[in-house]
Amino acid sequence: DTEVTQTPKHLVMGMTNKKSLKCEQHMGHRAMYWYKQKAKKPPELMFVYSYEKLSINESVPSRFSPECPNSSLLNLHLHALQPEDSALYLCASSQEPSGTTQYFGPGTRLTVL
Amino acid sequence: QKEVEQDPGPLSVPEGAIVSLNCTYSNSAFQYFMWYRQYSRKGPELLMYTYSSGNKEDGRFTAQVDKSSKYISLFIRDSQPSDSATYLCAMSGTGANNLFFGTGTRLTVIP
Repeated sequence: DTEVTQTPKHLVMGMTNKKSLKCEQHMGHRAMYWYKQKAKKPPELMFVYSYEKLSINESVPSRFSPECPNSSLLNLHLHALQPEDSALYLCASSQEPSGTTQYFGPGTRLTVL
Repeated sequence: QKEVEQDPGPLSVPEGAIVSLNCTYSNSAFQYFMWYRQYSRKGPELLMYTYSSGNKEDGRFTAQVDKSSKYISLFIRDSQPSDSATYLCAMSGTGANNLFFGTGTRLTVIP
């Protein structure tokens, strides 16, 4: 089973709202990732968690706050977003932090009004 | 120069055709090569994974890596309308978390 699940599938929020995206995997993978994907563009890496510790933050604005409560869960907390943050947010996981394949979830389609 | 170059297409082929998708790259440290298929408004789905040079076959799909030319390919035999999607190549180096993606090639297989 190579399934990564994400909730919600769709999210519409105002610029003053606080919301969270959730990601879960039960493959025993030790690395988890958040990506942002705009239409007709490849995914852009935002954050990497390696063994439940944040190892990479690709200069993402502080209005995006990741959290890894345990080895199976990854959250992305959203606050005071801008309309240009509207995108597909993808979660991925890999067995190890390097040299192994990343498996993606279906994504959360976020619209910021 | 981008790390990974991929022709964005779009590419339209008739059903049953052989499709060839390609990426070139500049970083000789890349060792892991992947092809993902992404349907519209869905997450990328891993199709093929290859380490270093060589060929790998899985059903109608064949992945080739030529490290000397820094060139990778994905061949789809007997293409089907259900193969219509965007195909993303991705690669990474040893000890690296980052995946470097191509821009994706949009493929349409016409019945």
